[in-house]
Amino acid sequence: QSVLTQPPSASETPGQRVTISCSGSSSNIGRNIVNWYQQLPGTAPKLLIYSNDQRPSGVPDRFSGSKSGTSASLAISGLQSEDEADYYCAAWDDSLNGVVFGGGTKLTVL
Amino acid sequence: QVQLQESGPGLLKPSQTLSLTCTVSGGSISSVDYYWSWIRQPPGKGLEWIGYIYYSGSTYYNPSLKSRVTISIATSKNQFSLKLSSVTAADTAVYYCVREDLENWFDPWGQGTLVTVSS
Repeated sequence: QSVLTQPPSASETPGQRVTISCSGSSSNIGRNIVNWYQQLPGTAPKLLIYSNDQRPSGVPDRFSGSKSGTSASLAISGLQSEDEADYYCAAWDDSLNGVVFGGGTKLTVL
Repeated sequence: QVQLQESGPGLLKPSQTLSLTCTVSGGSISSVDYYWSWIRQPPGKGLEWIGYIYYSGSTYYNPSLKSRVTISIATSKNQFSLKLSSVTAADTAVYYCVREDLENWFDPWGQGTLVTVSS
């Protein structure tokens, strides 16, 4: 059972927009930044969004992040087949004294 | 750009000690701007942060693993290492070495190495 809660799956058709939620608490998302990772099948995770809403260089602006209170969201617009992957949120937890991850959301592009 | 590569045995028996090394290229492990971390992922499951080491040698471990984990650093070799003692089947996972920003995001990641614990 993960400290951060994500829906296990999401799906949408190409070209559409999908949002993945990440729910936490006052000891993690409520106090600290949220980061998102994309894991394509059979590969290592890759940093997708850092510091709640910042994109590393090379990440398309179709990907965006936001945070409000103890929840965060990742939005992907203009969905493409290559976006099919597992997505993880993460944050530092002040109570557990460590980085905690969400359980991951498997995105299917129909 | 910075690249990380894990190395070490892929098969262990229960009660043995897991030992992995991460070799960093394209950048210095002595940078004051980063931690050097280990993360694992059991087959078909999510990610678990194991802990990090700073260039100075200071460490921070996941409390759930702290009693069994040691992370060390060899700045002259641009390497850092993970030891996990008394392994069980529950420790079977892909182990990633990662550079961790001081604000706790992970980038880049090594390709990962599968460690299987089986009798």
